[in-house]
Amino acid sequence: RKEVEQDPGPFNVPEGATVAFNCTYSNSASQSFFWYRQDCRKEPKLLMSVYSSGNEDGRFTAQLNRASQYISLLIRDSKLSDSATYLCVVNKKSNFGNEKLTFGTGTRLTIIP
Amino acid sequence: EADIYQTPRYLVIGTGKKITLECSQTMGHDKMYWYQQDPGMELHLIHYSYGVNSTEKGDLSSESTVSRIRTEHFPLTLESARPSHTSQYLCASSEVQGEDAFFGQGTRLTVV
Repeated sequence: RKEVEQDPGPFNVPEGATVAFNCTYSNSASQSFFWYRQDCRKEPKLLMSVYSSGNEDGRFTAQLNRASQYISLLIRDSKLSDSATYLCVVNKKSNFGNEKLTFGTGTRLTIIP
Repeated sequence: EADIYQTPRYLVIGTGKKITLECSQTMGHDKMYWYQQDPGMELHLIHYSYGVNSTEKGDLSSESTVSRIRTEHFPLTLESARPSHTSQYLCASSEVQGEDAFFGQGTRLTVV
């Protein structure tokens, strides 16, 4: 089982629709969670952190369920510029007790005019 | 914009050559990482460092090596490049262990 698993893509969604991404993680000791966005042939960039209480940034809402080890990202009123790959990212303790980020495979989203 | 830079952006090199991919950040971050990503595929961590003189191998086995002599600099070296090393290499840094990371623009390496 992969440490971070995401919905398989691609998602092709009409402009203005609401789209939801899901992600599960296997390490129950993980402490930090993020959603990154990666445009084609570009580097990943932080979209938002995910907090236990849930958080919202404009059209984007992130939720965390620690009991189910589940993270979600909701995009409302989708825009053409939202087309990208969305990466679920979880920190993970290494064997030496240090933490490092583990990336999911990503879900490709295409917004259709 | 994050202050993390990678050079070169693109490199085409022959088999057997030694190459060094440069990564520098001016944010004073202790934590630095190297990821490998093939087109349309996921990111794989190949090396990371928690500070000067600290380096560890990542989740994906790699024939490359890294060094961390200065905080701001985290170069990756391939002693003898092979076509199987063709990929994109992304460097990242973070201020706090495990917290969100800033990425460089990547180096696209092609070994012919």
